[in-house]
Amino acid sequence: GENVEQHPSTLSVQEGDSAVIKCTYSDSASNYFPWYKQELGKRPQLIIDIRSNVGEKKDQRIAVTLNKTAKHFSLHITETQPEDSAVYFCAAVGFQKLVFGTGTRLLVSP
Amino acid sequence: GAGVSQSPSNKVTEKGKDVELRCDPISGHTALYWYRQSLGQGLEFLIYFQGNSAPDKSGLPSDRFSAERTGGSVSTLTIQRTQQEDSAVYLCASNKDSAQSYEQYFGPGTRLTVT
Repeated sequence: GENVEQHPSTLSVQEGDSAVIKCTYSDSASNYFPWYKQELGKRPQLIIDIRSNVGEKKDQRIAVTLNKTAKHFSLHITETQPEDSAVYFCAAVGFQKLVFGTGTRLLVSP
Repeated sequence: GAGVSQSPSNKVTEKGKDVELRCDPISGHTALYWYRQSLGQGLEFLIYFQGNSAPDKSGLPSDRFSAERTGGSVSTLTIQRTQQEDSAVYLCASNKDSAQSYEQYFGPGTRLTVT
C-alpha cells in the first residue's frame, strides 16, 4: 500500500522567511496530494492540493510542487507570519483513502 | 451548510468501560473515515466506509474496536473494555465520493480520556 514520509518533523523560522516541507510517497499510481493545516486544538483543514497532471500550484503565499518521477512533493510558504504556526500534514491517495505523513510542526517567531 | 459534527466533544471514562463515539458527516457525503490522533502525534487511520460498507478496516488496533454506519449517514465507533492507551482525539472525516473526490472534511473530534 501507499507509504508517505514527511520531513522535517519540526521547523522554526523567523517571520518573513520562507518555509519548505517535503514529502515522499511510494505508490506511483497516487494522483492526488493534499496539504492540511492543523492549529493547536483544532481540526485539520485543507489549505492546498495538487493532482498528478500538474507540476505546481500556487495560492497567494502558499505553493505546492510535485515531481512524479521522483515521487515527492513539497509545500512552500513564503513571507511567513506568526499565524502560519501550526502542524502541517501532507497526504497521498492510496486505494481510495488518504495516507497521511507524520506531520511537521512549524513555528514562526515574530 | 453544516459541516461534519462529532459527539461527545469530550469523554472521560474508567478503564474497562465501553464507549461510543458518534460522527455525523456532511449531508450527501458517501465516504466516511475515522482517525485517531494521540497527543502531538499524526493521524492514524482506523477505518473507512463507502456507504454502509467498510472496504478498509485495516487500521483498527484490536478487536476491542468496531464501527458501523447506518443509512449511509451517521457512524459510531465503539471501543470495548477501554484501556489507558486508547486515550486520544478521535477524528471523523467525510468526502463526497471516494472515487471522484478525495478532499476530506474533518469534524472537531472527540477527546477520549481513559482513567
